[in-house]
Amino acid sequence: DAGITQSPRYKITETGRQVTLMCHQTWSHSYMFWYRQDLGHGLRLIYYSAAADITDKGEVPDGYVVSRSKTENFPLTLESATRSQTSVYFCASSESKETGELFFGEGSRLTVL
Amino acid sequence: AQSVTQPDIHITVSEGASLELRCNYSYGATPYLFWYVQSPGQGLQLLLKYFSGDTLVQGIKGFEAEFKRSQSSFNLRKPSVHWSDAAEYFCAVVNNAGNMLTFGGGTRLMVKP
Repeated sequence: DAGITQSPRYKITETGRQVTLMCHQTWSHSYMFWYRQDLGHGLRLIYYSAAADITDKGEVPDGYVVSRSKTENFPLTLESATRSQTSVYFCASSESKETGELFFGEGSRLTVL
Repeated sequence: AQSVTQPDIHITVSEGASLELRCNYSYGATPYLFWYVQSPGQGLQLLLKYFSGDTLVQGIKGFEAEFKRSQSSFNLRKPSVHWSDAAEYFCAVVNNAGNMLTFGGGTRLMVKP
């Protein structure tokens, strides 16, 4: 089915481990985004990408790495996970930057012990 | 920098009652404003958006919102709430470059039978 999918949906890891969250969209949208959702903070932008091989930092990029070698994929890597990175992570895509209409995945719940 | 405030963290209404969720924004120019809804365990879905023109905008699921520049507000309304409207609602504004949405902290709506 067309849409935006995230994997894994749930992940438990330990402090210091590397974790990669995957995001795949089938619409060929140019823009893709990673947000984290925490109680009391709403959604905060981690990184975004305007096209393949173009990425930029959002509001809270520290501790995260992204890549976009193909339009449809936008993985998010935590190189050395910390407890403060326990959160729900949402990937989103958008056809253009002007509309502001984002299409969200169902989220990946990450727990760092 | 733009910001969005949703003063009410939780709101409880009776089924069939009217609803108004508050949103205040801080932005230097004419804002692009949005309301998103998040059902439990799901990603966010766009309810409606305001770019320009008529200050009363209609959205999906019977929701509407009114842009009031003098009050820097973009409140969401529904005349009669249904139990299925129980969810978390997010107001958002897009930045000058049009490539980043800033979300409010969200309002959790509960509906009493």
